Amino acid sequence: DVKVTQSSRYLVKRTGEKVFLECVQDMDHENMFWYRQDPGLGLRLIYFSYDVKMKEKGDIPEGYSVSREKKERFSLILESASTNQTSMYLCASRAGAGRREQYFGPGTRLTVT
Amino acid sequence: GENVEQHPSTLSVQEGDSAVIKCTYSDSASNYFPWYKQELGKRPQLIIDIRSNVGEKKDQRIAVTLNKTAKHFSLHITETQPEDSAVYFCAALAEDALNFGKGTSLLVTP
Repeated sequence: DVKVTQSSRYLVKRTGEKVFLECVQDMDHENMFWYRQDPGLGLRLIYFSYDVKMKEKGDIPEGYSVSREKKERFSLILESASTNQTSMYLCASRAGAGRREQYFGPGTRLTVT
Repeated sequence: GENVEQHPSTLSVQEGDSAVIKCTYSDSASNYFPWYKQELGKRPQLIIDIRSNVGEKKDQRIAVTLNKTAKHFSLHITETQPEDSAVYFCAALAEDALNFGKGTSLLVTP
């Protein structure tokens, strides 16, 4: 079974703080993704990575950055958290080489006050 | 980029009835179309998918159809049960990343 884990289920931060969200997958997948989920807006792609140290912007990268130093770990960074970044953040991973099935982590509910 | 539209946004059916959710996509290069089910408080789970070289796929009570010419695909759930109640997302894969529809909240009433 593919296992994608996220470092926290719930997180509360103050405006202006630097926030790190961690994601780890144990299936040696090449591709990893960060989405945010908001009611009525579905799942929107923030950033993705198709290899170590590689990153690509998704649809809503503003205010976020990412880091992928190891294949199994993909971090989402909020440099200076703002209240409009309060959301559910979902990590996902997918194997390369033509495999298309994508698996999600349990999500981190981030509240910025 | 790819744009995925999903309808309806909410759907209520009686137990035992069928439910149909429809999606359209814009990028003709899209070649993979998964459906995810997300129960309250849980992660999205892949329930069925279809590739662009196939027109229909079925798995027990769930089926997906794809019309490449019209660029639309649909999820069909037959003999619905209360445990089918969830939010369902369609998606389309173009290039490297999945693009998701906004979701359909399905409620199956006993």
